[in-house]
Amino acid sequence: EAGVAQSPRYKIIEKRQSVAFWCNPISGHATLYWYQQILGQGPKLLIQFQNNGVVDDSQLPKDRFSAERLKGVDSTLKIQPAKLEDSAVYLCASSSSQLSGNTIYFGEGSWLTVV
Amino acid sequence: QQQVKQSPQSLIVQKGGISIINCAYENTAFDYFPWYQQFPGKGPALLIAIRPDVSEKKEGRFTISFNKSAKQFSLHIMDSQPGDSATYFCAPSISGGYNKLIFGAGTRLAVHP
Repeated sequence: EAGVAQSPRYKIIEKRQSVAFWCNPISGHATLYWYQQILGQGPKLLIQFQNNGVVDDSQLPKDRFSAERLKGVDSTLKIQPAKLEDSAVYLCASSSSQLSGNTIYFGEGSWLTVV
Repeated sequence: QQQVKQSPQSLIVQKGGISIINCAYENTAFDYFPWYQQFPGKGPALLIAIRPDVSEKKEGRFTISFNKSAKQFSLHIMDSQPGDSATYFCAPSISGGYNKLIFGAGTRLAVHP
């Protein structure tokens, strides 16, 4: 079974530029998550989708971050304009269900450096 | 993130020793208590998890101990191996809460041969 796929793996941009990350979840997984992991910290949930609807985006900085999951499969996370503090690993994850206790599978992450 | 406190921040253990990582939480609505393992350059992966209706769960060399009254749970790694060197996160989630994991800050484990 293929895992969660993410691209690009690495990206370096200047502040105020824009960047987009793409995620393909495990086949059949209805729930998709984007987490932000700053170096030395635990991942923090940015947004959670159930199919193509948003379940939780309470910690998404909506003035600069946006995410969509068209057709309930792939998802993109966009940052515009980027700030220095956005330097982090952006982890996409998926699970078969949104119910508590369902295993969440993570991709390898997209590493963003903002200079 | 303040809801979950992990200790220690880092841990060095000799091969064959026991590694113990602790997690204290505040929210009594948590009902699922997993530990995730993350290797450098990889995403976190579920290692072992427990529900609050049991006090201990063992899978191979890995054991979770759960103390509901103290609002703590811990990960024990028996016979620690160099391949266990990784960062470990506790990440409880809330009952009926859309499977939202609240990650601790992580514990970096180094097992020396």
